[in-house]
Amino acid sequence: RKEVEQDPGPFNVPEGATVAFNCTYSNSASQSFFWYRQDCRKEPKLLMSVYSSGNEDGRFTAQLNRASQYISLLIRDSKLSDSATYLCVVNAGGTSYGKLTFGQGTILTVHP
Amino acid sequence: SQTIHQWPATLVQPVGSPLSLECTVEGTSNPNLYWYRQAAGRGLQLLFYSVGIGQISSEVPQNLSASRPQDRQFILSSKKLLLSDSGFYLCAWSTLRTGWYEQYFGPGTRLTVT
Repeated sequence: RKEVEQDPGPFNVPEGATVAFNCTYSNSASQSFFWYRQDCRKEPKLLMSVYSSGNEDGRFTAQLNRASQYISLLIRDSKLSDSATYLCVVNAGGTSYGKLTFGQGTILTVHP
Repeated sequence: SQTIHQWPATLVQPVGSPLSLECTVEGTSNPNLYWYRQAAGRGLQLLFYSVGIGQISSEVPQNLSASRPQDRQFILSSKKLLLSDSGFYLCAWSTLRTGWYEQYFGPGTRLTVT
């Protein structure tokens, strides 16, 4: 089983749609969770950290379910500029010195 | 504010040639530093990380090495490149911030070994 698993997609949605990405992780000791976005041939950029209580940043909402080892990202009112690969990322915590494990990414294309 | 630089941006090297990629961070002190590789169509693979000057941990056996000669400088090297070393090399930094290790990436070096 992969440490971090994501549906690779691609997801093709029209502008204004709501889209949800899911991610599961295998290490129950994981303590830190993130979503990054990566544009084609660019570096990954931190989109948001995911907190236990869930958190929202504008059109983006992240949820964490530790019992199920499941993370989600919801994007509302999709924009063309949201087209990118979304990476689910998990830190092992403890003395792992901030090492992150990246999922393979979910490709999103928003069309007019 | 913090910034991270990587160079060169692109590189084409023949098999068997040496490699040196450099990464520098500005605006922070004593960061953790990381080298990742992303092969075409693949996910990010952690190669090395460093928690301080001269402290390097290797994640994957390979013909690459890393060094940290200064607090905010991280270098990735190879004595002889292989075709399989082609990929997108990314340097990242992080610091302890409210208990989370958020990592920030440099622009990357796209390496093609021919």
